[in-house]
Amino acid sequence: DAKTTQPPSMDCAEGRAANLPCNHSTISGNEYVYWYRQIHSQGPQYIIHGLKNNETNEMASLIITEDRKSSTLILPHATLRDTAVYYCIVTGWGKLQFGAGTQVVVTP
Amino acid sequence: NAGVMQNPRHLVRRRGQEARLRCSPMKGHSHVYWYRQLPEEGLKFMVYLQKENIIDESGMPKERFSAEFPKEGPSILRIQQVVRGDSAAYFCASSPETGVNEQFFGPGTRLTVL
Repeated sequence: DAKTTQPPSMDCAEGRAANLPCNHSTISGNEYVYWYRQIHSQGPQYIIHGLKNNETNEMASLIITEDRKSSTLILPHATLRDTAVYYCIVTGWGKLQFGAGTQVVVTP
Repeated sequence: NAGVMQNPRHLVRRRGQEARLRCSPMKGHSHVYWYRQLPEEGLKFMVYLQKENIIDESGMPKERFSAEFPKEGPSILRIQQVVRGDSAAYFCASSPETGVNEQFFGPGTRLTVL
């Protein structure tokens, strides 16, 4: 599975959009980009995934560059409950390889 | 539809004892994964199972650890002769047979070895 690079932390004001970048320059053609988050010590939670088109669901939007070497997760209106570690994972099927992720802190 | 269930939520064992962690996947899910999170560290994959088969055990320690997912009943992660370094949160996840790698995680079992 391709490796990913994320900033270690970022702050976001409540109500504003949070844009979380991820670099995955070694992604291969059959690999998807997945985003998960872990709130405090709970089990990770699936957010969204995509192959090459931009995707949107009720939680977030995923923007993937045309060359697929990077992507951005957008939380459109961050709330305090969005404070978590966010993981960008590139994979096909099977195991998820979690890196260090981005610690996002949403402040009032 | 109940989520992934894990029990016990907290487990305390003394060094040398056995720990058995159970995971009931979501209804209709035939794929189960186990991950471990050591204190202040990231999540690490351990093993991936389908009913009665181990698909990928590349993350399992070579000794003392085993996993099964029988035809009937929950998946079991078994740790024999536990040591203090086994203290961690163990998460189970399950996924359906859809071809999308969307894994649903349980709340975890916190294992403490005294």
